[in-house]
Amino acid sequence: AQTVTQSQPEMSVQEAETVTLSCTYDTSESNYYLFWYKQPPSRQMILVIRQEAYKQQNATENRFSVNFQKAAKSFSLKISDSQLGDTAMYFCAFIRSNNNDMRFGAGTRLTVKP
Amino acid sequence: KAGVTQTPRYLIKTRGQQVTLSCSPISGHRSVSWYQQTPGQGLQFLFEYFSETQRNKGNFPGRFSGRQFSNSRSEMNVSTLELGDSALYLCASSPSGSIADTQYFGPGTRLTVL
Repeated sequence: AQTVTQSQPEMSVQEAETVTLSCTYDTSESNYYLFWYKQPPSRQMILVIRQEAYKQQNATENRFSVNFQKAAKSFSLKISDSQLGDTAMYFCAFIRSNNNDMRFGAGTRLTVKP
Repeated sequence: KAGVTQTPRYLIKTRGQQVTLSCSPISGHRSVSWYQQTPGQGLQFLFEYFSETQRNKGNFPGRFSGRQFSNSRSEMNVSTLELGDSALYLCASSPSGSIADTQYFGPGTRLTVL
C-alpha cells in the first residue's frame, strides 16, 4: 500500500524566516509523482510544487523548494522568506504510475506570525 | 480560463436522504477526480472519470457513485446518507488524467448530514 506521512501536525514561523515541512512516503513503485498542496482557510486546494520521481534535480518554484531524497523516500518542502499569506494547511501527496488514486498525508498546519 | 467549479457550495441533508454534487472541470480537461475530506480521515480518493468512464475507484461503499457527461462535467451521488458522510467534497480536473498532469481543485462542496 502507498502511504504518505507528515509527522508535524502544526508548525509556526516568523514572517521572513525559513521553514521546512517534512513528508515521507512508502511505495514499491519506481515511477511516481510527488506534490505539495496548500489549503488556506478558504479551503481551495492550490498546487505549490511537484516533483517527478525520475528527476534527481529538486523542484523549485520561487520561494518554495523541495528536498527530494528518493532512497530515503523523503520529500520535504522548504518555504523561504515566509509571508503571512503562506498561512495554510499543507498537504504532501503522492500519485503512482497508471493510477490516479492520489494519496495525501494528514497535513501540516503552518502559521506565519508577524 | 475559468477554474474548476462545484455546485452547490453548501448542502444540508438528513440521514437517509440522497444527494447529488456537481463538478465542472476546466475547459479542455477530460479527467475529473473526486475526494472526500474529513477531520478524522483526511483526504481520501473517491473515484476518477475520464471520457465518461470510471477508471479508478477508492475504497468507499457502493452508496457513493458518480458519472461523467460528454462535456466532461461530472456528478457524484451519495445515497442513504449517514452522519459520517458529512465532509468537504472536492473535485479536481486534469487534461488527460495522466499522472504527469497537475490536478486542479475546485472550492469544494460542504455537505452536512443531520
